[in-house]
Amino acid sequence: DAGITQSPRHKVTETGTPVTLRCHQTENHRYMYWYRQDPGHGLRLIHYSYGVKDTDKGEVSDGYSVSRSKTEDFLLTLESATSSQTSVYFCAIRDDGTEAFFGQGTRLTVV
Amino acid sequence: GQNIDQPTEMTATEGAIVQINCTYQTSGFNGLFWYQQHAGEAPTFLSYNVLDGLEEKGRFSSFLSRSKGYSYLLLKELQMKDSASYLCFFPGGSYIPTFGRGTSLIVHP
Repeated sequence: DAGITQSPRHKVTETGTPVTLRCHQTENHRYMYWYRQDPGHGLRLIHYSYGVKDTDKGEVSDGYSVSRSKTEDFLLTLESATSSQTSVYFCAIRDDGTEAFFGQGTRLTVV
Repeated sequence: GQNIDQPTEMTATEGAIVQINCTYQTSGFNGLFWYQQHAGEAPTFLSYNVLDGLEEKGRFSSFLSRSKGYSYLLLKELQMKDSASYLCFFPGGSYIPTFGRGTSLIVHP
C-alpha cells in the first residue's frame, strides 16, 4: 500500500464544533487532495495542494479550510461543523504522471 | 472546466464482458485514469491512458480517443467480485482534478 494514512478514521461531533482531519504521506508526492463522497454525488473535490503552502479550492470548498505546512501533512478543517458536512472524507496523493493513491477514508458524523 | 459523463448503473452476468464508457469535455488534457471502488472502501487504481488506443492489463482494458473525448473500461470474464463502482478521473494540472460520478456495476450469477 502507498504510504498514506488518514486520522481519525471515524468521528462523531456536534454541530458548531471545529474539526480537523489529518492526511499524512510518506511518499514525498507533490499533490495532495481532500474529497468528500456522498450518495448520488460521487467524489467531490474540496481543496487540493500542489506544494507546501500552495493550496487551491475545489468544487465544494465552502465551510472548509486547509493547510499544508510541510510536504507530508495536509490538514482539512471544518471551522464550525454542520450536519451537511456529514460525509466520508478521502485524502489522495499523487505526483506528475502517476496515479493517485487514496487513504482509507474518514467517516464524519455531525449531530 | 471539465464535464464528465458516465452511466449511473450497469448490470452484467458472471463470465460476460462489459464496457463502461466515459465521455468528457475538458479545457486541457493530460491523461485519464480509471479507478475501482468497492462499497465502504477507498478507490484503487486500474489503468491510465494518455495516448489514443488500448491499454490492456489482464482482464481489464482501457481505451482512449482524445479527438472524440471518449474513453471506456472493458472488463472481461466478469467475476462476482467485480461488482463495484468504476470511476474515470482527470488529474488536472492547471485545472481542478475531477472524478466522474462513477458507474455502479452489478454482476449477477
